[in-house]
Amino acid sequence: GEDVEQSLFLSVREGDSSVINCTYTDSSSTYLYWYKQEPGAGLQLLTYIFSNMDMKQDQRLTVLLNKKDKHLSLRIADTQTGDSAIYFCAERLQAGTALIFGKGTTLSVSS
Amino acid sequence: GAVVSQHPSWVICKSGTSVKIECRSLDFQATTMFWYRQFPKQSLMLMATSNEGSKATYEQGVEKDKFLINHASLTLSTLTVTSAHPEDSSFYICSASGQRNTEAFFGQGTRLTVV
Repeated sequence: GEDVEQSLFLSVREGDSSVINCTYTDSSSTYLYWYKQEPGAGLQLLTYIFSNMDMKQDQRLTVLLNKKDKHLSLRIADTQTGDSAIYFCAERLQAGTALIFGKGTTLSVSS
Repeated sequence: GAVVSQHPSWVICKSGTSVKIECRSLDFQATTMFWYRQFPKQSLMLMATSNEGSKATYEQGVEKDKFLINHASLTLSTLTVTSAHPEDSSFYICSASGQRNTEAFFGQGTRLTVV
């Protein structure tokens, strides 16, 4: 079945790196996404990775994909207080279909 | 990234009335739009998928007569919550996907409160 799992909370200090982990069950996922949601707001697409890639880097964000273990991670370098939000991992089984979301990881950054 | 505009951001309505939520893709043609519902501190639950010009496909357990979805153009989809009740109070978010179908962009969400 389709299932995306994330840890619920992560707390880091400003300037440290944050690593948010996600596991998924469907090996046929085509794309895997990371979204950020601030309180009362919609979802902001941070980055996505195609299933035939191992890594993608975009400024402070690094996405690692271990397809064998069905494990996805998002690393935020030099975490800032403005990075405090809920981060959702999502998978997409086929192009044009809906995304399947995890429950979200609440990232708390303390100064 | 592409812009998806959702309106209104929040709405309070009385029980028994209907509420319409609009979702617009501002700078691309959205061949497919998705409507999600999010309960407090929970994930997004897919309600329905709509392709331009055809009837929406609803997820199991979602009442199609209660949540009317229209996707009449490539830039606009609407969700109408009919005869709203307090249990319909929630955060509703739309998502739009273009022909490339790689990225999925989300609207700002609508906080619906039924009193």
